[in-house]
Amino acid sequence: QQPVQSPQAVILREGEDAVINCSSSKALYSVHWYRQKHGEAPVFLMILLKGGEQKGHEKISASFNEKKQQSSLYLTASQLSYSGTYFCGTERGTGANNLFFGTGTRLTVIP
Amino acid sequence: NAGVMQNPRHLVRRRGQEARLRCSPMKGHSHVYWYRQLPEEGLKFMVYLQKENIIDESGMPKERFSAEFPKEGPSILRIQQVVRGDSAAYFCASSPRGQTSNTEAFFGQGTRLTVV
Repeated sequence: QQPVQSPQAVILREGEDAVINCSSSKALYSVHWYRQKHGEAPVFLMILLKGGEQKGHEKISASFNEKKQQSSLYLTASQLSYSGTYFCGTERGTGANNLFFGTGTRLTVIP
Repeated sequence: NAGVMQNPRHLVRRRGQEARLRCSPMKGHSHVYWYRQLPEEGLKFMVYLQKENIIDESGMPKERFSAEFPKEGPSILRIQQVVRGDSAAYFCASSPRGQTSNTEAFFGQGTRLTVV
């Protein structure tokens, strides 16, 4: 039930781009992305619904391909503040009412 | 509007004791979720509650763990006879509707339980 995220960890220099992938073996209804800084609560980034939509949040955007049962998070021109662990949460259908989160991707942005 | 409040932030218990973790959802939110996070791991769903009802407890261990969300007061996650393997961060999240579709969930700061 738990989605698989890749890569597990990535180190970037400020200004570089990164892609974080989230895939599931089950059909998905929506994908939720969160970022968690060390010792803090996860913070909501965006929700994507099935339909191949893309969303953006500052310089962070995401896509959702329900046929491939996967979502990708795109971070462009990364900033130091982007450092943290990114989790995707997947919902397998209306009424499921809870999310299954991936194991996370640890992103470190260095000067 | 205060966020999701969890207390205590840190809790130390000896093996065999009971741990009670509290979560006050955001104002107006009647849906509460509990997640467990082990070091360097993701968030594992435990239980989903609405006021006075457990909606989904498929992620809860069968023994020693229980949760409630009374009509008045915070949601409580209770762990009886704690063991070292229960050491983890426990996060609570709340939302105004079920955690589906266009509903964002707001997380609390978590309670870090250490069993010694």
